[in-house]
Amino acid sequence: DTAVSQTPKYLVTQMGNDKSIKCEQNLGHDTMYWYKQDSKKFLKIMFSYNNKELIINETVPNRFSPKSPDKAHLNLHINSLELGDSAVYFCASSQGDGRDEAFFGQGTRLTVV
Amino acid sequence: QQQVKQSPQSLIVQKGGISIINCAYENTAFDYFPWYQQFPGKGPALLIAIRPDVSEKKEGRFTISFNKSAKQFSLHIMDSQPGDSATYFCAAVPYSGAGSYQLTFGKGTKLSVIP
Repeated sequence: DTAVSQTPKYLVTQMGNDKSIKCEQNLGHDTMYWYKQDSKKFLKIMFSYNNKELIINETVPNRFSPKSPDKAHLNLHINSLELGDSAVYFCASSQGDGRDEAFFGQGTRLTVV
Repeated sequence: QQQVKQSPQSLIVQKGGISIINCAYENTAFDYFPWYQQFPGKGPALLIAIRPDVSEKKEGRFTISFNKSAKQFSLHIMDSQPGDSATYFCAAVPYSGAGSYQLTFGKGTKLSVIP
């Protein structure tokens, strides 16, 4: 039973398309995150939500829009995809803030061609 | 601005040896320092974490050493095994504010343990 699950695992799409990545956690956690891992493996926060409220919105282009319909779900919608958006996107959750263990999903490898 | 500096970028250790990865930070508001382990094709997973009220924490073969005055912390892996081959990330979290809702990661260290 996967704690944090993301779909899809792989996503190949053309420039200019709109795509969504879904994330669900079954741990009962209050906080969910999206992280981006670039080709050099650097992990950077994009968004964090606590009890469905946006807490962190790093310098991410407006083309990226998170949506949290409930505490267990945090989806990421990306408009007008660009080549530079190619990366691995990780969803994560934690019980409290970042000082609690964060559980990461398996990642979504997005390739924009 | 890189708030957590991690070194080395890559590390090759013989089986049975000690692996040491170092991290340094500037922000004195950081008060939680976890290490995450990531295998290829997987998400990062918490390995061990420390808070600044202690100088060392040990869990099995993994030890964090913490030097508050120097603003440095390090991960030691004793008796390194080929199964430890992975990318290791240090991270830091401040004690309050919106910033406490994120992990600020170092750039990662790719560890290869050779038989």
